[in-house]
Amino acid sequence: GAVVSQHPSRVICKSGTSVKIECRSLDFQATTMFWYRQFPKQSLMLMATSNEGSKATYEQGVEKDKFLINHASLTLSTLTVTSAHPEDSSFYICSALQGATNEKLFFGSGTQLSVL
Amino acid sequence: AQTVTQSQPEMSVQEAETVTLSCTYDTSESNYYLFWYKQPPSRQMILVIRQEAYKQQNATENRFSVNFQKAAKSFSLKISDSQLGDTAMYFCAFDRAQKLVFGQGTRLTINP
Repeated sequence: GAVVSQHPSRVICKSGTSVKIECRSLDFQATTMFWYRQFPKQSLMLMATSNEGSKATYEQGVEKDKFLINHASLTLSTLTVTSAHPEDSSFYICSALQGATNEKLFFGSGTQLSVL
Repeated sequence: AQTVTQSQPEMSVQEAETVTLSCTYDTSESNYYLFWYKQPPSRQMILVIRQEAYKQQNATENRFSVNFQKAAKSFSLKISDSQLGDTAMYFCAFDRAQKLVFGQGTRLTINP
């Protein structure tokens, strides 16, 4: 299957700083990418949909000014957690859609964010 | 809004046994897709099986099969001849315009 690379895999930062997470489709072009977060022992919750060349669409309750999403190319989407606080500590996972059908949806390996 | 419910937080079986994980969902749509994903300790999400709602035939992938009951809005996963490598969290998911809505997950442990 296609490969989606997510970097970094783990990051620890101080409260108040910003953290950028990258999601890259390595061998295909992804016009649409999705960002999820997963709290310990819980399910994945969709945060936003990232479309190449346009503004991201955020799910209800997700602060768009706090979670900045940029999908500048067909192979890269970034999630920036601005002014991170301990409650933002979570596992963040991206997925990338190859084409238009959901059978070609591939997940990154996730990023564990810990805010001290 | 679509919801997905997995009523079994944890399950445990012996190696080589068959295990069934349950999932129910709620939607008013008539055409949709359902998935089972596996999340091992590495936390990488792995697609196990996919079912299209308009297909009456249950999807099968090697040792994995589903029992899709559209009228009952039920979508269970059967794992036959379970292996130690099947130990993982399993998530049922509903496709909402290519955005996935996940159930709470079932932690499956295969014992040697």
